[in-house]
Amino acid sequence: KNQVEQSPQSLIILEGKNCTLQCNYTVSPFSNLRWYKQDTGRGPVSLTIMTFSENTKSNGRYTATLDADTKQSSLHITASQLSDSASYICVISLGNNNDMRFGAGTRLTVKP
Amino acid sequence: DADVTQTPRNRITKTGKRIMLECSQTKGHDRMYWYRQDPGLGLRLIYYSFDVKDINKGEISDGYSVSRQAQAKFSLSLESAIPNQTALYFCATSDTWGNTIYFGEGSWLTVV
Repeated sequence: KNQVEQSPQSLIILEGKNCTLQCNYTVSPFSNLRWYKQDTGRGPVSLTIMTFSENTKSNGRYTATLDADTKQSSLHITASQLSDSASYICVISLGNNNDMRFGAGTRLTVKP
Repeated sequence: DADVTQTPRNRITKTGKRIMLECSQTKGHDRMYWYRQDPGLGLRLIYYSFDVKDINKGEISDGYSVSRQAQAKFSLSLESAIPNQTALYFCATSDTWGNTIYFGEGSWLTVV
C-alpha cells in the first residue's frame, strides 16, 4: 500500500474553474511536504514546499494546505488555465530529506 | 541549457544487454538521485549520492548500479536489462539541505 495516497486519480475541468487535489499520507517522521507539477514527458517541477509547522503556502494561482494532525494536504488551483494540464505529485520527505515518498499523482486536464 | 541533463532521452534495448543512462548537472549541488517512474505508481528511488565518495541504495536498487564520476555526473547502469525495467527514469539533484529537488527531463527506456 502506497504511503502517500492522492485523489482523485484524474480530473477534468473547464478552463477558468477552480479545483482541489488531495494528498493523504501515513509516513513518519515528517520533515516536509512538497507539491510538484509534471508535464507529460517532462521532469517534475516544484510548486510548493511546507514544513510541519506551516498550514498554507501559495505560489501564484496554486495554494497548498497542510494539516499535520490528520496527515492531509491539498493543492487548490484557482482560475485554471489550459497550461495547468499536467500531473500533480505530492511528495513527503522523511527525516534528513533524502528519503522521500512520492504519491502516484493526479492527472489534471483543463479543457477550453 | 537545462540544469539537469539526461542522455539518452529514449532508448530501446534487448533483454540481457547492458545499458547506461547518464546524468549531468550545472547546479553545483552535492546530492544526486536516480528515480524510476511507472504508470500508476509514484517515483521510486533507485540510488542516491551525497557526494563523489558517497553511494547509497534506494528503495529498488536490485538490478541497477551507479557511478558518481564527478560532482556533476551520476550515471545509472542496468547490467543485464530485463523487460520489467521498462520505465521512465529520472535523474535529480538537490542542495545539501534537500530543500528543492531539480529533475531532469527523463529517459524513456524500453527493454524488449
